[in-house]
Amino acid sequence: GAGVSQSPSNKVTEKGKDVELRCDPISGHTALYWYRQSLGQGLEFLIYFQGNSAPDKSGLPSDRFSAERTGGSVSTLTIQRTQQEDSAVYLCASSGARVQYFGPGTRLTVT
Amino acid sequence: AQSVTQLDSQVPVFEEAPVELRCNYSSSVSVYLFWYVQYPNQGLQLLLKYLSGSTLVESINGFEAEFNKSQTSFHLRKPSVHISDTAEYFCAVSETTDSWGKLQFGAGTQVVVTP
Repeated sequence: GAGVSQSPSNKVTEKGKDVELRCDPISGHTALYWYRQSLGQGLEFLIYFQGNSAPDKSGLPSDRFSAERTGGSVSTLTIQRTQQEDSAVYLCASSGARVQYFGPGTRLTVT
Repeated sequence: AQSVTQLDSQVPVFEEAPVELRCNYSSSVSVYLFWYVQYPNQGLQLLLKYLSGSTLVESINGFEAEFNKSQTSFHLRKPSVHISDTAEYFCAVSETTDSWGKLQFGAGTQVVVTP
């Protein structure tokens, strides 16, 4: 079946602009996660959605970052007023039972 | 809080030679353990997992890992590597008490296989 998909695959934006990154999880998976992968920080957890529960936002680095999940499926990660330190690969994962499956990621470059 | 240590940042290895990637973790509760592989410009792919049962787990492409609770380790091994095994390998843990299942990753080990 189809895996986790993310769009766009690459995004170049100017400092100060807002960006939206999209994630389509595996059908039927109730849990959805966002991680960030950067050279200096490795793989970091950002936010987690599980069903209709309130999301775990404990990994979001600042209030410029937000995410939503509509209809228990597609998720959008929004970064407002992007900064150069936001440049990274943003990975989405979904899970049905403890095992997370990752999408190909969105490479964000802030110039 | 848990932490994951991958002791080697890079491991060069010749084709058909064995390789071992070390992973140690610390946690105050029991954990689930995972190895993910990342090929260049791709996302993370699950290589193998330990959730319960046998402490020795195997993947379909010849990798194996053994959960050692007393040494808090989950080292990854392959007896004979191929050029195609060149990739970055990440060890990850989640605590069994964490219903959210957040993963804590190690820093990764870059495996470079040469002929």
